[in-house]
Amino acid sequence: KNQVEQSPQSLIILEGKNCTLQCNYTVSPFSNLRWYKQDTGRGPVSLTIMTFSENTKSNGRYTATLDADTKQSSLHITASQLSDSASYICVVSDKTGANNLFFGTGTRLTVIP
Amino acid sequence: DVKVTQSSRYLVKRTGEKVFLECVQDMDHENMFWYRQDPGLGLRLIYFSYDVKMKEKGDIPEGYSVSREKKERFSLILESASTNQTSMYLCASSLFEGYGYTFGSGTRLTVV
Repeated sequence: KNQVEQSPQSLIILEGKNCTLQCNYTVSPFSNLRWYKQDTGRGPVSLTIMTFSENTKSNGRYTATLDADTKQSSLHITASQLSDSASYICVVSDKTGANNLFFGTGTRLTVIP
Repeated sequence: DVKVTQSSRYLVKRTGEKVFLECVQDMDHENMFWYRQDPGLGLRLIYFSYDVKMKEKGDIPEGYSVSREKKERFSLILESASTNQTSMYLCASSLFEGYGYTFGSGTRLTVV
């Protein structure tokens, strides 16, 4: 069964600290993996998208890694800011058609001053 | 900049009402999708469309229908709203299957 699991479910960190969010998946065949940031009451916004051959991709203070062998991804946030408070959703796509996105349930990050 | 626009941010409807959620994209995308998002369940696909007048059921189509008369517009219809349809509804579009998804801002629907 194709699944995407994220951990932790929620996380509270102090402003300025770093943190790492995890995503494990069983989706096959694998096409790509995305991390989305979703602010409360808003739609998800794409942070990064990674294909099978990419190990690391950065977007400002966000760095995503992908290990296609172990089917794991992480999202590292550096020098967190209050505006980083949001849900972060891992989404994995397979190659079988339009109905082919598998969503994690997200990690709720709260950055406190 | 690409845009997916959902007509309402918040809606409150009564049980039994017919509800229309509208979504418009300006990117000439072929594929459009409707998801609902509930705490602890993540996003679940309701319906999607890969072309005008074409539609496919997603994982949870019961109680919903859709309409795509024009390429840029994809409507989600709740024929007779029920309280268990209270949720956040997200529209998305993509150029290619599995790639380049853009989401709308969402509609928070409350059925009372």
